[in-house]
Amino acid sequence: AQTVTQSQPEMSVQEAETVTLSCTYDTSENNYYLFWYKQPPSRQMILVIRQEAYKQQNATENRFSVNFQKAAKSFSLKISDSQLGDTAMYFCAFMRGGNQFYFGTGTSLTVIP
Amino acid sequence: ETGVTQSPTHLIKTRGQQVTLRCSSQSGHNTVSWYQQALGQGPQFIFQYYREEENGRGNFPPRFSGLQFPNYSSELNVNALELDDSALYLCASSRKRDSQETQYFGPGTRLLVL
Repeated sequence: AQTVTQSQPEMSVQEAETVTLSCTYDTSENNYYLFWYKQPPSRQMILVIRQEAYKQQNATENRFSVNFQKAAKSFSLKISDSQLGDTAMYFCAFMRGGNQFYFGTGTSLTVIP
Repeated sequence: ETGVTQSPTHLIKTRGQQVTLRCSSQSGHNTVSWYQQALGQGPQFIFQYYREEENGRGNFPPRFSGLQFPNYSSELNVNALELDDSALYLCASSRKRDSQETQYFGPGTRLLVL
């Protein structure tokens, strides 16, 4: 079975600073995808960034980047130049063939002005 | 916004009743997945539909059932509601069944069972 672990239930960061959210996963699969989703207080889940397991290069999307360590089964999200709009619940998710997502329990991030 | 809509936004039912939740997929998407998100938890996979057929199911009892229509809109039906069914129900649509396409989530339906 696949499991996704987010060990930081809550985090805070000063506006304009950098923060890293942790995620580890467990799988016996070799081909899979990893995602970070953001769920603001309005509830709609929004894709932040995605990483294909077969790619060694870490994905980057503007201020968001990941540190993907396949051997360690680690997938952390770095948010640079944090903005007030980044305040949300962040979910790490694992997907293998068949499109079923396995989500972590989330990290609540608060950006402090 | 993701282009995925859900109705209703909120719903209150009593134990033992039945409920139907609806989802309209993003244009061009033929796969829809349903998730249950309990308070303070990550979403849990209920099932997925691809071209009107069930294509995978999570650890949910048979009283959770679904439908996907030719226009790729979808319904989640829950019979014999229990208190623990109180949760946010999310649907997510994607373009293909076997490709690793990103799933786009709707805003959810908040169900409260009394």
